[in-house]
Amino acid sequence: DAGVIQSPRHEVTEMGQEVTLRCKPISGHDYLFWYRQTMMRGLELLIYFNNNVPIDDSGMPEDRFSAKMPNASFSTLKIQPSEPRDSAVYFCASSLGGNTETQYFGPGTRLLVL
Amino acid sequence: GDSVTQMEGPVTLSEEAFLTINCTYTATGYPSLFWYVQYPGEGLQLLLKATKADDKGSNKGFEATYRKETTSFHLEKGSVQVSDSAVYFCALRRAGNMLTFGGGTRLMVKP
Repeated sequence: DAGVIQSPRHEVTEMGQEVTLRCKPISGHDYLFWYRQTMMRGLELLIYFNNNVPIDDSGMPEDRFSAKMPNASFSTLKIQPSEPRDSAVYFCASSLGGNTETQYFGPGTRLLVL
Repeated sequence: GDSVTQMEGPVTLSEEAFLTINCTYTATGYPSLFWYVQYPGEGLQLLLKATKADDKGSNKGFEATYRKETTSFHLEKGSVQVSDSAVYFCALRRAGNMLTFGGGTRLMVKP
C-alpha cells in the first residue's frame, strides 16, 4: 500500500495568498484527520471526517481555514487568505474504524507564509 | 479536558544506554494510550499502544505499561541505538478516534 499521500511536500507563499493542501488517504479507510504541528503549540487536531462527512472541526483556528472531502480518496485543507502565523507542518492521517484503530500519518506539508 | 504531559527534551544518550521517557495523562474514563515516533522529515508512525489498564505495549525493543493508578504510560528501552534518534509523542484517544498528543520529546543517541 502506498500509505497516506500528501501534496505538496513544501509550499512557500506570500501573505494574503490562497493555499491548498491535498491528501489522499489509504484506500478503504473511513476516517481522515488534519493536524497542524508547530514548535509553539505542538501537534493539534484541526478537523476530522468520517465517511467523507466532517465530524468535528472545533480545532480549525479561524474562518480562513476550510476543509473538504468530496470523496473517499481525496481531501483538501484550504487557507484563504494565508498569514505568516499559519506557517507550520500540516499532516493528514487516516484510519479504518473509529474506536480501536491506528491512525496512519502522511509525510506532511511544510508551509511557509512570508 | 483531556491532556497529555511529556518530559521535555532533548534527551541525549550514548548508544546502548537505558531510555525512559515519562508520560502522564489526564482524562475521563480509561482512554487508549499510544506512543508515536517521528523520524526527521517524516510523518508520525505508531510505535506501540495499550487499550486498558495494566496492558503492556511493545515494539522494536520499546515498552510501555498502562498504569491507571499513576495515570502514566512511560516509554522504556533497554539499549538504544543511533537509529532510535527521533521525536517521540505520547497520545491518548478521545471519543470519535480523536488523538490528543503530548508536546513530544526529542531523543538524540550518540555513537
